[in-house]
Amino acid sequence: DIVMTQSPDSLAVSLGERATINCKSSQSILYSSNNKNYLTWYQQKPGQPPKMLIYWASTRESGVPDRFSGSGSGTDFTLTISSLQAEDVAVYFCQQYYETPHTFGQGTKLEIK
Amino acid sequence: QVQLQQSGPGLVKPSQTLSLTCAISGDSVSSNSAAWTWIRQSPSRGLEWLGRTYYRSKWYNDYALSVKSRITFNPDTSKNQFSLHLNSVTPEDTAVYYCARAYSGSLNVWGQGTTVTVSS
Repeated sequence: DIVMTQSPDSLAVSLGERATINCKSSQSILYSSNNKNYLTWYQQKPGQPPKMLIYWASTRESGVPDRFSGSGSGTDFTLTISSLQAEDVAVYFCQQYYETPHTFGQGTKLEIK
Repeated sequence: QVQLQQSGPGLVKPSQTLSLTCAISGDSVSSNSAAWTWIRQSPSRGLEWLGRTYYRSKWYNDYALSVKSRITFNPDTSKNQFSLHLNSVTPEDTAVYYCARAYSGSLNVWGQGTTVTVSS
């Protein structure tokens, strides 16, 4: 199985500041034939299911604020929140869908400093 | 707008079968572009992808190795829903179970989640 490792496990950022979450896969999840990275980022708030934010590593889902962005390729990926808002407090997960099983990272808990 | 509505018991006895159903509205279980997926979440295991069922001229199932010997998925085209059956459950199967729609692999629609406890 592809192992997804996120860092840090938790993060405290001041309102209006930048938050950066990293995700590393144990093997490349870049499919050479279409040059796409098979990675999704999710946001999960307490008592709710995860919500898709970013897919193909950098494509923002419709309706997701543009302060959320994804970057990276191959094995190293980053989710950036450019200016943290109070409603962004949540746990964030990455997931690879390059091969089954489609494994998730362990999650990063984002809080307000 | 696609919605998924989960149903099923919240308490299952050890060694019995856990069965959950996910009813689809706004899409078809027979869609040629979606895959209907089950995921579970627990403090000890985090988010765990259990598998998917999908139709591409015929039905396919993919299962996680960790549950492959105990799990089956059943799409029901007449009711536009799909179900999960996990047999021989133990307390380690206690988790919140989610159904979701995968589109090109990303899980873009989720059910509300069902908390399942395995206990006598």
